[in-house]
Amino acid sequence: NAGVTQTPKFQVLKTGQSMTLQCAQDMNHNSMYWYRQDPGMGLRLIYYSASEGTTDKGEVPNGYNVSRLNKREFSLRLESAAPSQTSVYFCASNRGTGPDTQYFGPGTRLTVL
Amino acid sequence: GDSVTQMEGPVTLSEEAFLTINCTYTATGYPSLFWYVQYPGEGLQLLLKATKADDKGSNKGFEATYRKETTSFHLEKGSVQVSDSAVYFCALQTGANNLFFGTGTRLTVIP
Repeated sequence: NAGVTQTPKFQVLKTGQSMTLQCAQDMNHNSMYWYRQDPGMGLRLIYYSASEGTTDKGEVPNGYNVSRLNKREFSLRLESAAPSQTSVYFCASNRGTGPDTQYFGPGTRLTVL
Repeated sequence: GDSVTQMEGPVTLSEEAFLTINCTYTATGYPSLFWYVQYPGEGLQLLLKATKADDKGSNKGFEATYRKETTSFHLEKGSVQVSDSAVYFCALQTGANNLFFGTGTRLTVIP
């Protein structure tokens, strides 16, 4: 019962470095999501993929790119990290049909120096 | 636009106390409403949900009723335990993919 898995759990980057956060789900879900969680701001949607082969911007997409590699995997890339991207990143997935529960991964804590 | 306003925290209660965490929403359509819980060091997990007006969601002793007239979805529990210490998020969803979260309320229950 892996559910949604994320790697890495922790990462420290220097300003300008790039990295990719990986996410995979084993629930055969159609839709996948990337959120960031900042103190006092709840979770904000960065990008989502409603189905394999599609991606769409969420509330805060600037500075990020995503790839829906296949139905299971959805990666988030920071091309040139900035201190403002220091955050905890969560991946989530669901069936994508109507008001459906989202299932979250354990998160990646990213610090950009 | 759609949004959720949640009671500011943190909230500290003694074990067996009554809990209320207020949540109100603004939405153009007919949203579904959720409470998610985040235990220390973990991702969010669904606590309960309600998909239409007057529905009551319940789980693990927690309850919330979808009140369209007051645009509210307050979370309640009659007797909290130390294991309920977590951050609680109210959220609404108006489409298949649009989930809007409140800022979260941290609950600490002391023995």
